[in-house]
Amino acid sequence: GQNIDQPTEMTATEGAIVQINCTYQTSGFNGLFWYQQHAGEAPTFLSYNVLDGLEEKGRFSSFLSRSKGYSYLLLKELQMKDSASYLCGVSGGSYIPTFGRGTSLIVHP
Amino acid sequence: EAGVTQFPSHSVIEKGQTVTLRCDPISGHDNLYWYRRVMGKEIKFLLHFVKESKQDESGMPNNRFLAERTGGTYSTLKVQPAELEDSGVYFCASSHSAGSYEQYFGPGTRLTVT
Repeated sequence: GQNIDQPTEMTATEGAIVQINCTYQTSGFNGLFWYQQHAGEAPTFLSYNVLDGLEEKGRFSSFLSRSKGYSYLLLKELQMKDSASYLCGVSGGSYIPTFGRGTSLIVHP
Repeated sequence: EAGVTQFPSHSVIEKGQTVTLRCDPISGHDNLYWYRRVMGKEIKFLLHFVKESKQDESGMPNNRFLAERTGGTYSTLKVQPAELEDSGVYFCASSHSAGSYEQYFGPGTRLTVT
């Protein structure tokens, strides 16, 4: 089975940096996903990490440590529109993620 | 390019009734997935189609749920008869081919069973 843990809620200030952590325990591991979901909308793909290390994509970066079962999503230069739920998901085989409950990020002025 | 669409956006039915949800994937996407989010819990995988074939239906909760993808285009998910615990948001997602890890999600259908 798979167990994924991430904080329920985080708050941050516009312009700041925030790090959303995700830890996982899984019987098989292919890669780790991050999705963003605004309230009432579809989840949208942010990143997929297979190898250890940091992958940067604009203001968003994702880090993976397979040996520690740990990932984080780093958001820089926060904007109000970044207020959303961030879903961590782990795939054990065919790119189908098992998701955590998501972290609700609130960005305030 | 049009995204993944789902119909209806909301559905309220009584326990024991039947509901059919529809998903139109992005044109040309062979892979189609169904997920469900029950209130307060995580998004959970239900099943995966490759074209018209069911590749993995390990997440289907029970035989009250029937998914089809005739012709390998749109898909339907029928719940019959609906129970209270079926309430939640049903998401559909699609991806292009076998090696595609990025899934494109639809906005979901919110199902309420009363």
